[in-house]
Amino acid sequence: GAGVSQSPSNKVTEKGKDVELRCDPISGHTALYWYRQSLGQGLEFLIYFQGNSAPDKSGLPSDRFSAERTGGSVSTLTIQRTQQEDSAVYLCASSLVGGPRQPQHFGDGTRLSIL
Amino acid sequence: SQKIEQNSEALNIQEGKTATLTCNYTNYSPAYLQWYRQDPGRGPVFLLLIRENEKEKRKERLKVTFDTTLKQSLFHITASQPADSATYLCAHNTNAGKSTFGDGTTLTVKP
Repeated sequence: GAGVSQSPSNKVTEKGKDVELRCDPISGHTALYWYRQSLGQGLEFLIYFQGNSAPDKSGLPSDRFSAERTGGSVSTLTIQRTQQEDSAVYLCASSLVGGPRQPQHFGDGTRLSIL
Repeated sequence: SQKIEQNSEALNIQEGKTATLTCNYTNYSPAYLQWYRQDPGRGPVFLLLIRENEKEKRKERLKVTFDTTLKQSLFHITASQPADSATYLCAHNTNAGKSTFGDGTTLTVKP
């Protein structure tokens, strides 16, 4: 399909393990966003990439969280030493370019459960 | 920093009526506001974008208004249908790429 693809769709892991979440944006989209959505809550902005560069990483909740994007395409969000409060749905979105006028196209997320 | 607030957690209306959802923003007036629909277990889907100097924007049964005096955007669904039941999110992006979403209003349209 031509939409944003996220994998895995579900991930269950034990507290203290590292996890890696993947996002494949729409081809040609230069802007990419990561969000976290806890049950029944709104979207919490984590990080934005323009190309391979993330100008502002202040939205990442702690230094256990990191993200990278390579080749202006695929992005990975890594959470080290997972904690139970990291349990949430992690959503990725892409847009043609960044900026306030651009609609974001979302994947269906990775549901992360920390035991 | 900008904050987006949406009215009430749930809105229940009868089929055929008009649903009106509210989005309030604090601080500066955003140049654009976006509205999304989110169904359970799915990512949000973009619906409409309205510019600060546009009073109103329409798309089929959807209408969005932007009132900079009240610091508010209203989202209307006319002739509502049960299939319109979903959570509706208001959002603002900055030029620097930071996105702020409201917590959403869950709409239930009863047949």
